[in-house]
Amino acid sequence: SQQGEEDPQALSIQEGENATMNCSYKTSINNLQWYRQNSGRGLVHLILIRSNEREKHSGRLRVTLDTSKKSSSLLITASRAADTASYFCATDGGAQKLVFGQGTRLTINP
Amino acid sequence: DAGVIQSPRHEVTEMGQEVTLRCKPISGHNSLFWYRQTMMRGLELLIYFNNNVPIDDSGMPEDRFSAKMPNASFSTLKIQPSEPRDSAVYFCASNPGTGGEQFFGPGTRLTVL
Repeated sequence: SQQGEEDPQALSIQEGENATMNCSYKTSINNLQWYRQNSGRGLVHLILIRSNEREKHSGRLRVTLDTSKKSSSLLITASRAADTASYFCATDGGAQKLVFGQGTRLTINP
Repeated sequence: DAGVIQSPRHEVTEMGQEVTLRCKPISGHNSLFWYRQTMMRGLELLIYFNNNVPIDDSGMPEDRFSAKMPNASFSTLKIQPSEPRDSAVYFCASNPGTGGEQFFGPGTRLTVL
């Protein structure tokens, strides 16, 4: 079953703009991860945020976590054409299991 | 490090045939995961191993699917007999076994005609 639900399902913006994607989940978590998938490729880990953290940065990425609302957001600043990809949130489903959402398809227009 | 290696990258077969997908995890990683990705169902965990032992196979769709990990550097996912609804991209991932980030292979795109 899908634990994480991304919103929006698709997002198209101009290069240089910021992109924000949201993820909601249903049960308690230890951590939440974001992954990127380029077309035809495997998933690449972007960032992990623990349940006791509220915000985390990595380069142009900023992730927030609100455990009271069971939601997370991924912000990509100053987007580039190379950021075009699908983005997935994943929550720990117990033990080492990850439960992935359906993803947000991000398109950066030049 | 070469990363997680999967073979073949593409497989086209006919309904009823046996299909074997292969995975070599990153050296030193103790956990290995098999996922299936489709447009309809997204990314689903099929099974995962810790130290070559299957821990959770609750995602394996039916008895036609089986997975083995005979040693720390090799795993197979077998479908016998294959059906058109098995068409999907199958990913293998590994991690050191402490939870957290998983490292994905490039996937095998399976088409069952």
